[in-house]
Amino acid sequence: KNQVEQSPQSLIILEGKNCTLQCNYTVSPFSNLRWYKQDTGRGPVSLTIMTFSENTKSNGRYTATLDADTKQSSLHITASQLSDSASYICVVSAGTYKYIFGTGTRLKVLA
Amino acid sequence: DGGITQSPKYLFRKEGQNVTLSCEQNLNHDAMYWYRQDPGQGLRLIYYSQIVNDFQKGDIAEGYSVSREKKESFPLTVTSAQKNPTAFYLCASSRDTIYFGEGSWLTVV
Repeated sequence: KNQVEQSPQSLIILEGKNCTLQCNYTVSPFSNLRWYKQDTGRGPVSLTIMTFSENTKSNGRYTATLDADTKQSSLHITASQLSDSASYICVVSAGTYKYIFGTGTRLKVLA
Repeated sequence: DGGITQSPKYLFRKEGQNVTLSCEQNLNHDAMYWYRQDPGQGLRLIYYSQIVNDFQKGDIAEGYSVSREKKESFPLTVTSAQKNPTAFYLCASSRDTIYFGEGSWLTVV
């Protein structure tokens, strides 16, 4: 069964600190992996997209890694800001039109 | 600006009533999707369409219906057969990357 699991379920950090979110997947066939940021009551917005051959990709303070052998991905947020408070969703594409969503990690950044 | 427009943002449904959520995209994408999001759960696929005049059921299609008469438009009707419709509904479209609308909140009153 295709599955995407994210951890932790929720996380609270202080402003300025770094954090790492995890995504483990069992999806076949694997096409690519995306991280999205979703503010409460809004639609998800893409942060990064990674294909099978990519190990690391950055987007400003967000850095995603992918280990296709262990089927794990992480999203590292550097120097967190209050505006980083949101849910972060890992999405794995199993081919055209087929997307498997994780349940997300809810991040709260405190001043 | 290119993007996906969902309307209305908030909608209230009475028992036994059908309601329709609108989704319009100007990204020239062939594929469009409807997802349902409940608190603490991942997105679940209701219906998707790969091309005009064609659509397929997703994982939770019961109680919902769609149409795809134009490439830009993919409306979702929540019928009275859907017994627990209160949720956040997301429309999306894709080519290489999936893009989402801002979502619509549906509440049963």
